Amino acid sequence: GQQVMQIPQYQHVQEGEDFTTYCNSSTTLSNIQWYKQRPGGHPVFLIQLVKSGEVKKQKRLTFQFGEAKKNSSLHITATQTTDVGTYFCAGPSRSGGSNYKLTFGKGTLLTVNP
Amino acid sequence: DAGVTQSPTHLIKTRGQHVTLRCSPISGHKSVSWYQQVLGQGPQFIFQYYEKEERGRGNFPDRFSARQFPNYSSELNVNALLLGDSALYLCASSFVNTGELFFGEGSRLTVL
Repeated sequence: GQQVMQIPQYQHVQEGEDFTTYCNSSTTLSNIQWYKQRPGGHPVFLIQLVKSGEVKKQKRLTFQFGEAKKNSSLHITATQTTDVGTYFCAGPSRSGGSNYKLTFGKGTLLTVNP
Repeated sequence: DAGVTQSPTHLIKTRGQHVTLRCSPISGHKSVSWYQQVLGQGPQFIFQYYEKEERGRGNFPDRFSARQFPNYSSELNVNALLLGDSALYLCASSFVNTGELFFGEGSRLTVL
């Protein structure tokens, strides 16, 4: 079945440093989504990328979708303590009928030292 | 507007018991999905319901079942609980059968 892998598993940075997490899928994706989960919280949707090579920015966050639509990255510039949490990428897959499910990576846990 | 609501938020069960978890989607959302999240892992797909019909099942045993009601709320049932069923159970709703998922805060199940 489809597999989504993320690296690194953990990242600890000093406040103000940059952070990047990488996501790779075993299959070509129609789109890729990114979610953030704060400690003790639930996943919250950040963004969806659809086009090959697409780059989207949300303030200090930059998301990229690879040309082959099998990989993606999230880059945070000048991290803040509010960025703490686990960042998940997720790719959709269909298995018969109109089923739609997301396969999530294991996530990258970001901690920020103030 | 109210988000996805789940109940109960926390519960403790013993092995062999069964549990029912409930979810109310965002108003207007007709698709509800259930995910299991074990500590340190990403959410894993269990079920999807759309327009009250099961549209997909993940790699979970038959002890797991679910249904969706005419008002689009949903229940997840787990029978014969095992220690390994201890996890955060997340319900997510979406407006259409694709696109972003809106997660509830989850039901944290502990099996002793």
